[in-house]
Amino acid sequence: GAGVSQSPSNKVTEKGKDVELRCDPISGHTALYWYRQSLGQGLEFLIYFQGNSAPDKSGLPSDRFSAERTGGSVSTLTIQRTQQEDSAVYLCASSLAGTGGLEQYFGPGTRLTVT
Amino acid sequence: GENVEQHPSTLSVQEGDSAVIKCTYSDSASNYFPWYKQELGKGPQLIIDIRSNVGEKKDQRIAVTLNKTAKHFSLHITETQPEDSAVYFCAASRDYGQNFVFGPGTRLSVLP
Repeated sequence: GAGVSQSPSNKVTEKGKDVELRCDPISGHTALYWYRQSLGQGLEFLIYFQGNSAPDKSGLPSDRFSAERTGGSVSTLTIQRTQQEDSAVYLCASSLAGTGGLEQYFGPGTRLTVT
Repeated sequence: GENVEQHPSTLSVQEGDSAVIKCTYSDSASNYFPWYKQELGKGPQLIIDIRSNVGEKKDQRIAVTLNKTAKHFSLHITETQPEDSAVYFCAASRDYGQNFVFGPGTRLSVLP
């Protein structure tokens, strides 16, 4: 079946511009995660959605970052007034979560470059 | 909060040899420990996982061991092949997927 998809695959933007990154999780997966991965580094947790519960935003690095998940499916990560340090690969993952299974399935990522 | 450490950061082995990567965690409430493989330009892919009620789990050439008392778990790859070359991440999580924390990764190179 279809996996997690992300768009765009690459995004180049000028410093100060806003960007939106999209994630389409696996159908039926109630949990959705966003991570940031800088070059050669590990995965930095950003935000976690689980069903209709309030999202866990504890990983968002600043108030320039926000995310929404509409209808319990598609999610959008928005970065306002982008800075060069925002350059990274942004990864989305989904899972059944809870008793349904904790295995996370990752998308291919969006590579963001801020010039 | 949870803190996951991973060693070594890089590992080179000869084809056919074994590779071992170790992780430690700090949150005693964590009870789910997956391992992910990430190839260049791709998202991480789950290769094996273990829960706290199991001490060891094996899947063909890959095995994971867990010592909950010492709060550490390890990935073992036997009979390594060049296609095993990748970055490997461990992670720890509580029930229901919250507090999912990844280790910094290990770059494994299998030399032919």
